[in-house]
Amino acid sequence: DIQMTQSPSSLSAFVGDRVTITCRASQSISNYLNWYQQKPGKAPKLLIYAASSLQGGVPSRFSGSGSGTDFTLTISSLQPEDFATYSCQQSYSIPPGLTFGGGTKVEIK
Amino acid sequence: QVQLVESGGGVVQPGRSLRLSCAASGFTFSSYAMHWVRQAAGKGLEWVTIISFDGTNKYYADSVKGRFTISRDNSKNTLFLQMNSLKTEDTALYYCARDPGAYCSSTSCYGNHLDYWGQGTLVTVYS
Repeated sequence: DIQMTQSPSSLSAFVGDRVTITCRASQSISNYLNWYQQKPGKAPKLLIYAASSLQGGVPSRFSGSGSGTDFTLTISSLQPEDFATYSCQQSYSIPPGLTFGGGTKVEIK
Repeated sequence: QVQLVESGGGVVQPGRSLRLSCAASGFTFSSYAMHWVRQAAGKGLEWVTIISFDGTNKYYADSVKGRFTISRDNSKNTLFLQMNSLKTEDTALYYCARDPGAYCSSTSCYGNHLDYWGQGTLVTVYS
């Protein structure tokens, strides 16, 4: 199975900071990589699909890049509503199935 | 607007069964592949299963294969998850989610991203 490793597992940042989260796949997945945001007690929300395509309604301060095994989610200027947990997810093939990264919790500094 | 509402969760003993439902509205349900994804308390997301738009193709995570069955009733805009032989490790919040980009065949699915999720239904398995 394809393993997804996110780093860091948590970070603290100020409002207005540029934040970068990385996700590494255990094998090449082309651009089959999606990013989700999840707030406590809420369902995940799709931010980025196919590595770099912004989901409709998502602010443009969110961007994604990468291909193959290494991917990045960037928040260009962190806003108060962005404090949440972010997870990557590979969609290279089913079977064996979709797999998610362990998540990165973004907290207020 | 797109809405997905899960139901059917509860507390059950190991070895017992439970059937989850996901009622869809606000979109043409029969045009989309659908997934179940679960999340244990304080843990990450775990994909469980997918069903193609017409119910022809279904795939499962190894952890539930042979015990869980996904199905759908497109006439009633409803997705189901039949869970048999439940284990304590199946305890989690179960989400249904829509997949606008899936291409599924008899051998595989790919191109999946989950654009709308329900709020989840909690399944607790303990003795």
